[in-house]
Amino acid sequence: KAGVTQTPRYLIKTRGQQVTLSCSPISGHRSVSWYQQTPGQGLQFLFEYFSETQRNKGNFPGRFSGRQFSNSRSEMNVSTLELGDSALYLCASSGGWTSGGKETQYFGPGTRLLVL
Amino acid sequence: ILNVEQSPQSLHVQEGDSTNFTCSFPSSNFYALHWYRWETAKSPEALFVMTLNGDEKKKGRISATLNTKEGYSYLYIKGSQPEDSATYLCASPDTGTASKLTFGTGTRLQVTL
Repeated sequence: KAGVTQTPRYLIKTRGQQVTLSCSPISGHRSVSWYQQTPGQGLQFLFEYFSETQRNKGNFPGRFSGRQFSNSRSEMNVSTLELGDSALYLCASSGGWTSGGKETQYFGPGTRLLVL
Repeated sequence: ILNVEQSPQSLHVQEGDSTNFTCSFPSSNFYALHWYRWETAKSPEALFVMTLNGDEKKKGRISATLNTKEGYSYLYIKGSQPEDSATYLCASPDTGTASKLTFGTGTRLQVTL
């Protein structure tokens, strides 16, 4: 089974621009979550999409948004980029059906974004 | 806000040494505890999902224990090998939804010959 894929792997943007990152989950998985990792910080949860609906949201400004398509692929958008948005963005997929916090999430390799 | 802490921040051991590190989490409203291994330039790899007090999981030379009453989990590596060099992360969901994981900052393990 193919793993979680993310495109692009690397990206350089300038302040004020916007960026769109893409994530393709494992086949059959309905949930896609996004995380941000900045130097010195742990992985920070951005949001989760399940069946094309945002199901959970972290504490990030509205400049960070996402969506999910009917084939479960997800995109994350960051508008009006700031220097502090430079980070590794990871997505993770899971079946999405199991409750109780027990379901394993499978991570992609990440997109490294550099904002100049 | 859920607070997940890991110690030590980094660890340097010799090949063949056994080692362990700690993940601390709030003992109230516990749902599950996830362990991941993250090698440089790769995707984080799921190791264990632990849910019950007293849980013990094992995968090869790596094992983990869970104490939900006191809010900690230990990860053990027996006979460390250079390929064990990675950052080990623990995470806990702050609700019953596994997708919204709060991660610790990780323990960076380096194993040298």
